[in-house]
Amino acid sequence: DVKVTQSSRYLVKRTGEKVFLECVQDMDHENMFWYRQDPGLGLRLIYFSYDVKMKEKGDIPEGYSVSREKKERFSLILESASTNQTSMYLCASSPARAQRNTIYFGEGSWLTVV
Amino acid sequence: KQEVTQIPAALSVPEGENLVLNCSFTDSAIYNLQWFRQDPGKGLTSLLLIQSSQREQTSGRLNASLDKSSGRSTLYIAASQPGDSATYLCAVPTSGSARQLTFGSGTQLTVLP
Repeated sequence: DVKVTQSSRYLVKRTGEKVFLECVQDMDHENMFWYRQDPGLGLRLIYFSYDVKMKEKGDIPEGYSVSREKKERFSLILESASTNQTSMYLCASSPARAQRNTIYFGEGSWLTVV
Repeated sequence: KQEVTQIPAALSVPEGENLVLNCSFTDSAIYNLQWFRQDPGKGLTSLLLIQSSQREQTSGRLNASLDKSSGRSTLYIAASQPGDSATYLCAVPTSGSARQLTFGSGTQLTVLP
């Protein structure tokens, strides 16, 4: 069974802390994505990566960075967490030929910044 | 720029009813459209993927249709059950991208026993 695993389901962090959200996929997918989901705003793409050590900004990259040192792992980093980054974060992966294949999502990470 | 709209935002129906969820998109130059289900507090699960060359795709009680020229898709759920209660989202490729998707905000469905 294919799987995208987000290591932390629920986190509470203080303003200014550095936060790491980890995501691992076991499908040997080339593409990996980080989204945030907020009520009324839907899913918004933060960053994505289509290869190891490659990254591209999505729609809302400000305040975030990413790391992809290995194909199966894609990390989202909040350098200095702020309260407006309280949200649900979703990691996803898809194969390179995304035209004919679906995208797979993790269970999500709920982050609260206080 | 691709924009995706889903109407209605919420829908409540009695068990057993057939229902239709709507999705519209602004850029018809798409190669596929996907429908997803999201349970509260969980990630998204893919339900159906329709290629641009197809007009319909079926899985069990679910049937999705695609009309590229009008920029519309529908998800038909037959004989709805309380277990169908969830948020349903549609997604299409982002304009100018082969890898990114643009999502609608979803329709929150409640099926009453």
